Amino acid sequence: AQTVTQSQPEMSVQEAETVTLSCTYDTSESNYYLFWYKQPPSRQMILVIRQEAYKQQNATENRFSVNFQKAAKSFSLKISDSQLGDTAMYFCAFMGGTSGSRLTFGEGTQLTVNP
Amino acid sequence: GAVVSQHPSWVICKSGTSVKIECRSLDFQATTMFWYRQFPKQSLMLMATSNEGSKATYEQGVEKDKFLINHASLTLSTLTVTSAHPEDSSFYICSARDLGKGNTGELFFGEGSRLTVL
Repeated sequence: AQTVTQSQPEMSVQEAETVTLSCTYDTSESNYYLFWYKQPPSRQMILVIRQEAYKQQNATENRFSVNFQKAAKSFSLKISDSQLGDTAMYFCAFMGGTSGSRLTFGEGTQLTVNP
Repeated sequence: GAVVSQHPSWVICKSGTSVKIECRSLDFQATTMFWYRQFPKQSLMLMATSNEGSKATYEQGVEKDKFLINHASLTLSTLTVTSAHPEDSSFYICSARDLGKGNTGELFFGEGSRLTVL
């Protein structure tokens, strides 16, 4: 079974600064997807970024980028130029292999961006 | 992007009654939908996989007679919480995969439904 671990329950950052959220996972699969989802106070799950395991290049989406270390099973999220609207719970998630389209989520990191 | 709609977004019911939550894919077809449960300040826990035209697959520890899932069409899955009790109070979220896009890995989430059982 796959597991996803987020070791930072809470983090805070000043507006316009950069913050990195950590995520590690455990799997025996070779083909899989990794995701970061954002859940603001509205509780709507929003996809932030997706990484396909067979791609060595780290995914980027505007201010959001990942550091994907497949051998180390690490998948951190970097948020640059943090904005107040980035305040949310962030979940790292795994999908793949025998789990099909089922997502396994980490415990989440509550990020607060301070003005 | 693809839209998944849940209804109702908020429901309050009396203990012992049943509550139905709908999950609809508005602009795509989904043979598979997923139901999650989320307690305050916690992560999403997968309850079951809803399969169009067949029985749902429940995760270990989830009572299938308690949480009835029906996926009668390619755009609608329903979760019925039967004989609800206060401990069933939670936030329920569905997600769906776009059948037309193959396995791109992307799932689309509904807005969630908050259930409060008095």
